[in-house]
Amino acid sequence: NAGVTQTPKFQVLKTGQSMTLQCAQDMNHEYMSWYRQDPGMGLRLIHYSVGAGITDQGEVPNGYNVSRSTTEDFPLRLLSAAPSQTSVYFCASSFDRGQETQYFGPGTRLLVL
Amino acid sequence: SQKIEQNSEALNIQEGKTATLTCNYTNYSPAYLQWYRQDPGRGPVFLLLIRENEKEKRKERLKVTFDTTLKQSLFHITASQPADSATYLCALDERDNYGQNFVFGPGTRLSVLP
Repeated sequence: NAGVTQTPKFQVLKTGQSMTLQCAQDMNHEYMSWYRQDPGMGLRLIHYSVGAGITDQGEVPNGYNVSRSTTEDFPLRLLSAAPSQTSVYFCASSFDRGQETQYFGPGTRLLVL
Repeated sequence: SQKIEQNSEALNIQEGKTATLTCNYTNYSPAYLQWYRQDPGRGPVFLLLIRENEKEKRKERLKVTFDTTLKQSLFHITASQPADSATYLCALDERDNYGQNFVFGPGTRLSVLP
């Protein structure tokens, strides 16, 4: 099993550009989530999904969209990048929402100029 | 407002000593609390979970305690080694009508000096 994979590892965007951060897992996990990690702030939940076709907002959803068309994939879209979205983004998955252990991907480092 | 705090941003200890990291929370009533390890440039890795009805949990050199009255968890690494140097995150569950999500503390960066 590859676990949770994320692409790209690093991306530089200009303000106003859009992009999609990819996340995939091969563990047949129902629950997937996106976090951003900023210095001194901890991991903050952006969006999550409890299964294919079902998504919901987390703590900091503004400026981000998600969709879940398959169990394996959970892409995060930045519609119009802003410098405030400079961060490290982590995707995580678990068997279901009640499962205690989350498995994290390696992260995508995003710089918005 | 709801908050999770971890005792300090950074902690330096000598190899062989016991490292103690603190996680305090306010305005939550978690069913359980987790500890993760995060190395630079990598995602967090799950270490231990302790439930609200458990006082203590151990795994090899790791020990976690959970005091729901004090709203505090302590994470101990005994006989610490330089390889234990990493950032340690605590996380607790936040429940709503549809299930639960996880809320993370800011982390403590531990450095074990040889």
